[in-house]
Formats: sequence, C-alpha cells, structure tokens
Amino acid sequence: GAVVSQHPSRVICKSGTSVKIECRSLDFQATTMFWYRQFPKQSLMLMATSNEGSKATYEQGVEKDKFLINHASLTLSTLTVTSAHPEDSSFYICSASMRGGAETDTQYFGPGTRLTVL
Amino acid sequence: AQKITQTQPGMFVQEKEAVTLDCTYDTSDQSYGLFWYKQPSSGEMIFLIYQGSYDEQNATEGRYSLNFQKARKSANLVISASQLGDSAMYFCAMSPIGFQKLVFGTGTRLLVSP
Repeated sequence: GAVVSQHPSRVICKSGTSVKIECRSLDFQATTMFWYRQFPKQSLMLMATSNEGSKATYEQGVEKDKFLINHASLTLSTLTVTSAHPEDSSFYICSASMRGGAETDTQYFGPGTRLTVL
Repeated sequence: AQKITQTQPGMFVQEKEAVTLDCTYDTSDQSYGLFWYKQPSSGEMIFLIYQGSYDEQNATEGRYSLNFQKARKSANLVISASQLGDSAMYFCAMSPIGFQKLVFGTGTRLLVSP
C-alpha cells in the first residue's frame, strides 16, 4: 500500500516552455500533497504544500506564478513549471500523506521527475 | 523551528555487518515525529521507519531499528545484517505531530561492500 506515482520520470524542454508534472496516490486518498526540489548531492527542499480543493501554500522564496500547483482531487496534484529556464533544471519529487491515525503523518514519495531545460 | 543534523556524509560497511547512521535534532515542539528515508540512485524516497516523540519503545521495522534517545535528541538508524542493496543515501527527517511539514537532514551516503 501507499504507492505514489509521478509522471513523467524525465523531461527535456526548451527554455520558455511550460512543463506539467503529475503526482498521483494510487491506493489511498491523500489529504495533503507536497512538492520538493532536490539539487545534485543535496537534501530535499520543500517548495509547497497543497490540500485538495484549496490553494497551495508556498515556502518562502518559491515563486507562486512560476510553480503552479493544482490539487484537483484526493489522488492527483500537478506542478506546472511555467516559462522554464535552465536554472529550473532539477529533480522534482512529490509526496502524499494520509491521515490514517492521530499520530502518524507519514509522507510517501513518488519516484521523482528529472527536468532538464535547454 | 526544527533542525536535523546528520554529521556523517559517508559511511562504509561490509555486507552482513550492522551499521548505525547518526541523526540529532532540535525542536521546541512537545510532540513530533521522526522519520528515516532511503534514497537509492534511482532517486525515489523510500520510507523506512517512524518514531513518535511520545513512544517509549524504539521503533523497529525488519532490519531497521531506530535508537531513540529523547534526552539527547538523537534518533539514530541501525541497519542490521547489511546487504548490498542497502547502498544509498539515507535521510533523517522530522515534523511536528499533525503539522506534516518535514524538515530533512543533509543525508548520509552508505556504501555496503561485499
């Protein structure tokens, strides 16, 4: 159980184009989904938190208009990188959590998407 | 604010031996959760083990156990009987209970040799 998928796994795009990344919880309903960014040999940096049906909460320094997050259902969240530039090249990874109990809010991660902007 | 410190950038262990990966944390929250994740070269983050701050017993999951010492604010991961497939990056993380926002450490790269 607790499987999260992410699509695509790799994407290469030209500078100025937009890229959409999907994150799905396959066998549970995710009350909250998270989007992270990871640079080579570094830890994960939280970009935003999204709850189904409401606006995402962005971390300080993350541009809302550049990284559009939509959490349309309890199993799907999307991250759109608008007008991508080479500096947006990174590994993007999503996670989903389910509130099965009062204590544990374990996040289950997708396999990640490697974005390369030329 | 929470902070996770992993002081070992890299660790080496021989197959079948046990290894301890260190993690210390700092928080002013009374209730919090501690997590360990494994990230192989493929990039996915695999959840390994969870420890609640109020849990009196150390968490165990198969070959993984968490050596939780609340007074020292440490949550070390112990991997018993290491396997070649254990070679990966290991991240310690924490979040306040019910808040869900994870703070990660910088990670420890574990290499298991035959």
